[in-house]
Amino acid sequence: KQEVTQIPAALSVPEGENLVLNCSFTDSAIYNLQWFRQDPGKGLTSLLLIQSSQREQTSGRLNASLDKSSGRSTLYIAASQPGDSATYLCAVRSSSGGYNKLIFGAGTRLAVHP
Amino acid sequence: DGGITQSPKYLFRKEGQNVTLSCEQNLNHDAMYWYRQDPGQGLRLIYYSQIVNDFQKGDIAEGYSVSREKKESFPLTVTSAQKNPTAFYLCASSISTTTDTQYFGPGTRLTVL
Repeated sequence: KQEVTQIPAALSVPEGENLVLNCSFTDSAIYNLQWFRQDPGKGLTSLLLIQSSQREQTSGRLNASLDKSSGRSTLYIAASQPGDSATYLCAVRSSSGGYNKLIFGAGTRLAVHP
Repeated sequence: DGGITQSPKYLFRKEGQNVTLSCEQNLNHDAMYWYRQDPGQGLRLIYYSQIVNDFQKGDIAEGYSVSREKKESFPLTVTSAQKNPTAFYLCASSISTTTDTQYFGPGTRLTVL
């Protein structure tokens, strides 16, 4: 059974720091991995999607890497800003009963203070 | 303005009552989903629908029911059989269940008094 774990659960950093969020999964047979952002009391916004054949994806100050064989992904945020404060969720897409299912981690709650 | 809407944003219910959460999308997506989110946990799939008049149970379907009479709408009913219904409920849609990207609504926070 696929399980997704995110470490740390919470992170507080000063503005301007580069930081890394970690995501691990137990079954390497995935189609892709996706990082989402969730603001308090809101829905999810997709940030980056990495296909199983890819090693990384970049969007602005965000870079996500994928090491399928070791079951790990990292989200790198460069030059963090207070506006980056949110919960970051990773999700892997695996096959389950013919349906390509998204399995989520519990998230990392990030606070960037001025 | 395309997207997914959920209503209401906040919902209060007395124990023993059924309540229905609304989810509407104008993205012309075939697939729709309901997730539950509890503090400190990831999203868990309640039900999904691949096409109109079809729906399938997810991982935690007990105490919930859905219908898919129209492509645009996928309402979720939280019944009195759901033992711990207080949670944040998120609806999502995608072009199909095999398509990569799911688009999420803003969520409904249900509190049972």
